[in-house]
Formats: sequence, structure tokens, C-alpha cells
Amino acid sequence: KAGVTQTPRYLIKTRGQQVTLSCSPISGHRSVSWYQQTPGQGLQFLFEYFSETQRNKGNFPGRFSGRQFSNSRSEMNVSTLELGDSALYLCASSSEKTSGNSYNEQFFGPGTRLTVL
Amino acid sequence: AQSVAQPEDQVNVAEGNPLTVKCTYSVSGNPYLFWYVQYPNRGLQFLLKYITGDNLVKGSYGFEAEFNKSQTSFHLKKPSALVSDSALYFCAVRTGANNLFFGTGTRLTVIP
Repeated sequence: KAGVTQTPRYLIKTRGQQVTLSCSPISGHRSVSWYQQTPGQGLQFLFEYFSETQRNKGNFPGRFSGRQFSNSRSEMNVSTLELGDSALYLCASSSEKTSGNSYNEQFFGPGTRLTVL
Repeated sequence: AQSVAQPEDQVNVAEGNPLTVKCTYSVSGNPYLFWYVQYPNRGLQFLLKYITGDNLVKGSYGFEAEFNKSQTSFHLKKPSALVSDSALYFCAVRTGANNLFFGTGTRLTVIP
């Protein structure tokens, strides 16, 4: 099976702009999670989608949003970019069941490195 | 609240020697624990997990981890380190929902 893919791999934006990142999960995986990785804050959970519904959300401002399509592909959007949004954004998929308690491992994509100038 | 601590930012070990990367956790309820490894400019790769059962968990690339409930620890171990094991290692605990709470990471350097 192909792994989790993320596009683009690199992005450079300026403050105030918005950005959309894309993630294609492993075939058959219905759960997609997003994480932000920065040197200062480490890895932080953004949100999780399952069957086109946001199931869990981390502690990030409303500028961060996402969605999931019927084919399980997911996008995340960051509006009004700030310098502090510069980070590696990681997407992960897992073969979770509807109940969310199968405790399967998450498989991560290579990430999108966003630089905000 | 869930938390994971990796007390060592950096671990150095000679090639061929055993390695240990430490992790302690604090969770309410049963802990579901994971180890991931990150190589430069790459995403995270799953190594192993503890959900229930045997306290010694075997994973990918010869790694194993020992779950110790009394010490609330989940240390990652390998009997003989390889230079190619040099990477950033993350311990994580799964919360009740399907999201991972990560430790701050430990950079492992294996010296030839």
C-alpha cells in the first residue's frame, strides 16, 4: 500500500495570507489527524477527522480549520497567517473504527514545511 | 490530564552498545503508549505500542520497550545500537480520543 502523502512538501507565504495543505491517507484508512511540529512547542495535535466529521480538536485558534472528503482525503487551512505558524505540519492516518477505540497506530506522512515571512 | 516526559534531550551511545531512551507518563485510566522515530526531513515512523498484555513489547528494527506500571515508565531499548539508529525519538500517549500527546523528543546519536 502507498503511504500517507502530503502536498505540497514546502510552502512559503507572507503574513496575512492563507494556506491550504492536503493529505491523502493510506487506502482504507478513514481517520486522518493533523499535527503541528515546531522546535519550541514540539508536536501538537490540531484535529482529527473521521468519515468527513471532525471528531476531535486540539487547542488551536479558529484560524486553523480542516475538512475531510468522502474519499478520506483531508485538507487543512490556516487563515491570516502569523510568523508563529511557521512549522512542519504532519498528517497521519489510521484504520480506526467508528467507536474510535481500536487503538491502532497512526501512520504519518512526510509533512508540509510552511514558512511564513 | 495526560502528559509524557522524556527527561533526556540527547542520548549518546557507542555503536554496538545497548541503548535506552527514557519515557515516563501520567494519565488517568489505562495508558496506551507509543514510540515513534523521526529521521531528518521525514515524518514519524511507528516503532511499537503498548495497549495491554505483556509488559515487554517488541517492535520494528530490533527495538523493544518495557511498560512499568508502578514506575509509570515506558522506556525504549535496543540491545545493540547501530549508527543508522541515530534519529529523534518520540514517546506518545493516546488520549481517550484518537489523538496522540507527544513527549518533547530525545535525540539519539550512535557514535561509530
